[in-house]
Parts: sequence; C-alpha cells; structure tokens
Amino acid sequence: NAGVTQTPKFQVLKTGQSMTLQCAQDMNHEYMSWYRQDPGMGLRLIHYSVGAGITDQGEVPNGYNVSRSTTEDFPLRLLSAAPSQTSVYFCASSYSIRRGRETQYFGPGTRLLVL
Amino acid sequence: SQKIEQNSEALNIQEGKTATLTCNYTNYSPAYLQWYRQDPGRGPVFLLLIRENEKEKRKERLKVTFDTTLKQSLFHITASQPADSATYLCALMNSGGYQKVTFGTGTKLQVIP
Repeated sequence: NAGVTQTPKFQVLKTGQSMTLQCAQDMNHEYMSWYRQDPGMGLRLIHYSVGAGITDQGEVPNGYNVSRSTTEDFPLRLLSAAPSQTSVYFCASSYSIRRGRETQYFGPGTRLLVL
Repeated sequence: SQKIEQNSEALNIQEGKTATLTCNYTNYSPAYLQWYRQDPGRGPVFLLLIRENEKEKRKERLKVTFDTTLKQSLFHITASQPADSATYLCALMNSGGYQKVTFGTGTKLQVIP
C-alpha cells in the first residue's frame, strides 16, 4: 500500500492564481480530511469528508473548496490564492468511527508559498 | 468556545526520565482522544487512542490517561531516549455528529543525552 499520497510536494503561486492540491489513499478509508499547519497554530481542519459525496467544513474553510467523487481521492482547491494561505497542507484518512478503527494516516504534506 | 490546549513551551528532559505531556480541553465532549508524534518536515504519526469510557492505555513505553471530569489527558513516555525528541500532538473527536477530529497545537519534547 502507498498509504496517503499528496502532490505536489512544493508549490509557489502568485496572488489570485488557483490550484488544486491532490490527495489520494489506497486503504479504502471512508474518512478523509485536509489540515493546514502554521507556526504556533497547530493543525487546523479545513474540510473533511465521511464518504464519497459527503463533505463538510472544518475550522478554517474560507477560500478552499473540496469534493469527494470517489473513496480514494479528496482534492483541495484554492480558488484565488492569497498570501494568508501560505502554509503546509496535510491530507489524512481513516476508517469510519463505526468500524472502531479511527487511526488517522497522514500524507507527507504540500508546502505552499503564495507571493 | 472550544479549545484544546497543550503546553506551547518546549519540554526538556534528561534521557532515562519519564516525560509527561498535558492536553486540556474545554467545551468538548470527546468520543475519543488521540496522541500523535510529528517530526520536522513530516506528517503526524498516530501513537495511541483512548476512548471516553477508558481511564488508561499503554503501549510499550507509552501511557495515556484520560480524565473526562478534569477534561485532561496525560501522555507519558517512560525511560525516554533522544530518539523520542519530537513534537507531540493531541487530537480529539467530539461525540455526536460527523467524525470531525480537532488537534491541539502540540508540545515539543527534547530528550537530552
């Protein structure tokens, strides 16, 4: 198993540009989520999904869109990048709480710099 | 408002001693609480999970306690080693509703040889 994969590893954007951060998992996990991590702020939840076709907002959803058309993929879209979105982005996945196995597996992260 | 608080100051400890990290929360009713380890430039790695009806969990040199009355979890590393140096994060999922996991800010542990 590849686990949770994220692409790209690093990206530089100009203010106003849009882009999609890719996340995929091959563990058949129902739950997937996106976090951003900033110094002194810890991991903050952006959006999460409990299954294909179901998404919900986390703590800091503004400026980001998600969709979940398959179990495997959970892309994060930045609609119009702003310098405040400079951060490290982590994708994570786990089984549903109904299965009693809630360990989250994290990807390696995407480092985003918005100029 | 909801808060998960971990000591933001780094914890320095001598090799061989027991390290104890604290996670306090307010305005949550957690179904479970997790502890993760994060090394610089890497994603967090799961260590232990403890449920709301459990008081203590152990795994090798790691021990987690959970006091829902005090709204606190303690994470212990016994016989600490320099390789245990990392940032440790607690995370919890509120009971009810969707499976939404929220993290604390983490505590950096430095084990000194």
